[in-house]
Amino acid sequence: EVQLVESGGGLVKPGGSLRLSCGASGFTFSSAWMSWVRQAPGWGLEWVGRIRRKSEGGTTDYAAPVRGRFTISRDDSRDTVYLQMNSLEIEDTAVYYCSITNTFGGIVAWGQGTPVTVSS
Amino acid sequence: DIQMTQSPSSLSASVGDRVTITCRASQSIASYLNWYQQKPGRAPKLLIYAANSLQSGVPSRFSGSGSGTDFTLTISSLQPDDFATYFCQQSYRTPDTFGQGTKLEI
Repeated sequence: EVQLVESGGGLVKPGGSLRLSCGASGFTFSSAWMSWVRQAPGWGLEWVGRIRRKSEGGTTDYAAPVRGRFTISRDDSRDTVYLQMNSLEIEDTAVYYCSITNTFGGIVAWGQGTPVTVSS
Repeated sequence: DIQMTQSPSSLSASVGDRVTITCRASQSIASYLNWYQQKPGRAPKLLIYAANSLQSGVPSRFSGSGSGTDFTLTISSLQPDDFATYFCQQSYRTPDTFGQGTKLEI
């Protein structure tokens, strides 16, 4: 069974940093494209970014609001993907979901989400 | 960025009804359109990918159609478990973008 378990969320002040982790199991992690998607309270879904598999260079893409502040990385030896968030803003407050993306871009599996609150 | 517009924003229906939700892209996205269902406090669930491919394990009452800029999600006969919020997503061009959601209510 595919499982994605996020951790690392919490309360942080504006301008602060946080690193989210997502542990994966039940599939071949090294072959997967991994994405992060967030959802602000009471709002819709917002794509944050993705990381391709190492065999494709492990390259990353980001949404404009987070580009330059957020970094996605992966450790295939630990079956874990990370989201490093720096210079956090109040608008970054959301539940952050780790996910697996299929070759067509559909998000086939989601973690349970971890909440991030940016507040002074 | 490609804008995705869903309609309606909310919809009232009854068990057994046939329901259609539409999603329009601001430019052509070929068939790179996915549909999700989300229930309160839960992560979304993929229903349809590539515009009309049913994700494994999803009931056959869900179907998708369309290409280019106009897409539809159809539920042929609503079941009690289907009352939720539905989102479309384009994966044609980075950044992926989602529609604003359609809340399906009794």
